[in-house]
This record gives sequence, C-alpha cells and structure tokens, in this order.
Amino acid sequence: DAMVIQNPRYQVTQFGKPVTLSCSQTLNHNVMYWYQQKSSQAPKLLFHYYDKDFNNEADTPDNFQSRRPNTSFCFLDIRSPGLGDAAMYLCATSRVNSANEKLFFGSGTQLSVL
Amino acid sequence: GENVEQHPSTLSVQEGDSAVIKCTYSDSASNYFPWYKQELGKGPQLIIDIRSNVGEKKDQRIAVTLNKTAKHFSLHITETQPEDSAVYFCAASSNDYKLSFGAGTTVTVRA
Repeated sequence: DAMVIQNPRYQVTQFGKPVTLSCSQTLNHNVMYWYQQKSSQAPKLLFHYYDKDFNNEADTPDNFQSRRPNTSFCFLDIRSPGLGDAAMYLCATSRVNSANEKLFFGSGTQLSVL
Repeated sequence: GENVEQHPSTLSVQEGDSAVIKCTYSDSASNYFPWYKQELGKGPQLIIDIRSNVGEKKDQRIAVTLNKTAKHFSLHITETQPEDSAVYFCAASSNDYKLSFGAGTTVTVRA
C-alpha cells in the first residue's frame, strides 16, 4: 500500500548528540512536512517542502534542519538535542501545496533525549 | 494567525452513546475544517472534513457541523464503539499552506 514510512519508531539519543530522523513516501506527493508533537498537545509544524522549495516556520529552533534529497525522502536533523526536544516527530505529505489538502501522516518517531 | 480552541480535552462515554467535540476558530478567512483521529502509537488520520460552503457533512456514524457566523464547528460520533477511543484533533485553515490544530480531545469509550 502507498504510505508514509518513518524510521525508526523509537530513537534514543544523548543530550547534545546529533540525530537524524527519516521519512519516505510512496504517494509521489509534492509536499512533505515535519511536525513536532509533545505529549497531550497538538502537532506543531516545523518545516515543509514544496518539491525542493524549503519553508521554515519562524519559531522552529535553529538546531533543527531538514533535507529533501528527492521526492520520496525527507530527513529531520537535530544538531544538538536538548531535553526539551524529546517528543514525537511526525512526517506528513500532501498532494499539493495548500492547507486545504488532506495530510497523510506517518506513524511517527518517538525521540528520547537522555 | 489562526487560533483554534477545542473542548473538552477529555471525554468519556458509554459504548453506544454519542460523543460531541467542539472547536472555535478566530480567522474569518478560514474555509477548510478537517478532523483527524490519532490512535495510540500512530500518526493522525483524516476522518472527515468540511469546507465553508456547506453547513453539515455526514459519513456513517460521524458528522461535522459548521457555523461560520459563530466561527465554530463540531464533530459528532453516534453509537460509539470501543474502536472510537482515540485522540481527536480539529483544525482550520485558509488558502495558505498552514493548518492550525486544536489541542486535541482524548475520547474513551467505556464498554
């Protein structure tokens, strides 16, 4: 089935140690998003890519970066994770670059920072 | 920007009863209102959405109503079943790229 796949499901890193989260999609969608979701809170948009055009939210911390080497893959890099970065990270896609489009979410990567 | 408020934060219902979740939004330009369901350990999944040109939409046991004048919309689940237990998020957007989510409602259906 076409889907959004995130790896790994659980990631443990040490304080300050760089970590990369991965997302792939078989939907051939133009837009990919990274959301951060902390416990009992709404997903918070970090970035999105429309094709290769990168869009960063104003309040996304500077130690968060993203790469999209091709249509299918997108990566979230956290250069120096702090304890406050422990969260669920959700990747999503949409067919076109519009907020009025259905989002397809992956199952997320739960990041723990020790 | 858009601000979406969602109530209640938790909701416990007896199996077979109805559940209602309410959301309000601030931006009168918003014209798209989806509802996402997030089961434990999974990403959110769209269950129903409504656009501003209609007041109500129904899909089997799920319905959504929209009151543009009052800027609020609601999710109604009838004949609740254990598999309806999840976190539900409302959201609102206008024609730009950003969807604003509510804080979520944890629904528990008691057998």
